[in-house]
Amino acid sequence: GAGVSQSPSNKVTEKGKDVELRCDPISGHTALYWYRQSLGQGLEFLIYFQGNSAPDKSGLPSDRFSAERTGGSVSTLTIQRTQQEDSAVYLCASSPNPGGRGQPQHFGDGTRLSIL
Amino acid sequence: SQKIEQNSEALNIQEGKTATLTCNYTNYSPAYLQWYRQDPGRGPVFLLLIRENEKEKRKERLKVTFDTTLKQSLFHITASQPADSATYLCALDMGSSYKLIFGSGTRLLVRP
Repeated sequence: GAGVSQSPSNKVTEKGKDVELRCDPISGHTALYWYRQSLGQGLEFLIYFQGNSAPDKSGLPSDRFSAERTGGSVSTLTIQRTQQEDSAVYLCASSPNPGGRGQPQHFGDGTRLSIL
Repeated sequence: SQKIEQNSEALNIQEGKTATLTCNYTNYSPAYLQWYRQDPGRGPVFLLLIRENEKEKRKERLKVTFDTTLKQSLFHITASQPADSATYLCALDMGSSYKLIFGSGTRLLVRP
């Protein structure tokens, strides 16, 4: 497929467990973004990757959240010791131009995370 | 900090009418303003981008205006169709960074 792919599409887990969310950006896109969307809310920026580097991690809510990107492609967002307030849809987006301004972002359909 | 507001109430209109959605922001005007469409269970899809020195941008039945004096963007869908029913998000692109600042979106319902 040509679009951004995220997996799993849904994840239900118990409080305290660790989860890993995966994002496959559009091939050739150097910029990758993670956002979080809570019910009825706008998208909350989490982290941005330029290649394999993350120049801005300021949106990560706590040190339980981390992300990495390898090979300038796939990215994984990891949440350790999940809490109920982590329940949300986690969206990944990519764009083609490094540091490009005024560039549309191409989104995946997200991972819906539910913490019991 | 920069804030962005969209009408949280759903906009309910009759098919064929023009839908107008509002996006207001505080503080500094963005270099660009983007509009996205989001369907239930799906990620946002890019629709239009307008630059701060542009007053208006059109694409088919869509029109976006940008008033930096009022700190407002309007998004219009002419000849609306039931298939236009979705949530529409505006996003500020400050130009000095790469991240977008999203509003919470306005849900549009177009009745047949």
